[in-house]
Amino acid sequence: RKEVEQDPGPFNVPEGATVAFNCTYSNSASQSFFWYRQDCRKEPKLLMSVYSSGNEDGRFTAQLNRASQYISLLIRDSKLSDSATYLCVVRAWEDSSYKLIFGSGTRLLVRP
Amino acid sequence: DAGVTQSPTHLIKTRGQHVTLRCSPISGHKSVSWYQQVLGQGPQFIFQYYEKEERGRGNFPDRFSARQFPNYSSELNVNALLLGDSALYLCASSLGGDNTEAFFGQGTRLTVV
Repeated sequence: RKEVEQDPGPFNVPEGATVAFNCTYSNSASQSFFWYRQDCRKEPKLLMSVYSSGNEDGRFTAQLNRASQYISLLIRDSKLSDSATYLCVVRAWEDSSYKLIFGSGTRLLVRP
Repeated sequence: DAGVTQSPTHLIKTRGQHVTLRCSPISGHKSVSWYQQVLGQGPQFIFQYYEKEERGRGNFPDRFSARQFPNYSSELNVNALLLGDSALYLCASSLGGDNTEAFFGQGTRLTVV
C-alpha cells in the first residue's frame, strides 16, 4: 500500500464546475499536509498548506481529517488555467528525518 | 532573488555511465533534498542534506549518492546508470532541516538509453 494515495483521474470538467480531490495517508505520525500543483513537465509548486481547521484560499478549500487520515481539496469555479496535476503531500518523521511523501497526483482537465 | 536552480536541464546518458546533477538552493536556505519523479508518479525522496550532513535517505540503491558543499549547493551522483533511472530529478530547498516549506527547482530530465 502506498503511503499517500490519490485517485489518478483524469477529472475532465467544464469551466465553472466545482471539483473535489481526495487523498488518504497511512502514516499516523504525519505532521504537516500540503497540496502541490504540477504543470506538465514542470516542477511541483506549493498550492496551499492544509490545516486541521480547514483553510481557504480564494477558490480553493482544503480540509484535513486526522482521525480518518484523509485530506481533500475543493476547487470552485474551475478555470482553464487550473488544468494541472494536483499532488497530495504529507510531511512525516521517518528514519530520523522529516520527509515529504508525495501521492501520485490527480490530473485535472478543465475544458471550455 | 533567484529560486532553486538546477543544472543541466536535460541530459541523455547511456547505460552504465555515471551522471552528476547540480542544485543551488535559495539564498539563505541550508537544506537540500533530492527527489526522483518517473512519468505518471509523484516525486520519490532520495536524500536530504542539511548543514552539509546527510539527514535522510530514501529507498534507493547505493549507486545513488549526494553531497552538500559549504555554500549549501548540492550534487547528486548516480553510477552505473540503468534504463529505469530515466526520470525527472528534482531538488528542493528549505530553510531548516525539518522541511516545513520546500521549494523546488525546475528539475533535470535524465534519459538513459
